[in-house]
Amino acid sequence: EAQVTQNPRYLITVTGKKLTVTCSQNMNHEYMSWYRQDPGLGLRQIYYSMNVEVTDKGDVPEGYKVSRKEKRNFPLILESPSPNQTSLYFCASSVQGYFAYEQYFGPGTRLTVT
Amino acid sequence: QQQVKQSPQSLIVQKGGIPIINCAYENTAFDYFPWYQQFPGKGPALLIAIRPDVSEKKEGRFTISFNKSAKQFSLHIMDSQPGDSATYFCAASDNQGGKLIFGQGTELSVKP
Repeated sequence: EAQVTQNPRYLITVTGKKLTVTCSQNMNHEYMSWYRQDPGLGLRQIYYSMNVEVTDKGDVPEGYKVSRKEKRNFPLILESPSPNQTSLYFCASSVQGYFAYEQYFGPGTRLTVT
Repeated sequence: QQQVKQSPQSLIVQKGGIPIINCAYENTAFDYFPWYQQFPGKGPALLIAIRPDVSEKKEGRFTISFNKSAKQFSLHIMDSQPGDSATYFCAASDNQGGKLIFGQGTELSVKP
């Protein structure tokens, strides 16, 4: 089954404790992206990667890092999480950046930082 | 700043009604305008998309209307059903750069 998977689905952590949310796609897509979803703000793009060699900032990159060492994986790293990073996070992928309008989303990771 | 503005925030209609969700954008570099549907506990899924050189696009009961001069576009759901109850997001993409900008979302409830 073609899909984007994220782990963990739920995470409660404390301020300052480094964490990684994994994302993997099995569709051989070039493009991958991370979003956070907050009530009243919609989805906001954190980082995106056009291919294994190119990664760029979205609209809200502060406090986040990403890594694209392999085509299928695109982990999101919070080196020192803060309470304002409590949110619902989605990973997504697309055939290529030119088709960024058509993205396939994972099931989401709900993160709580206390 | 919100580059794509969506309204209303929530919408309640009766079964068979035609809910309309509106969006406005600012950046004329956007070159594709998709709508996503999200059910509770799920990730968003592409519903329908339109290019700026097309004024209207229909897919089943879903229609996008696009007004390039006004920089506005809207989603109409014909003969709405309770199963259409979901959150709808408009978006705008800059395909050359790989960015996808979402509106704030509209929570639609279709009553039986």
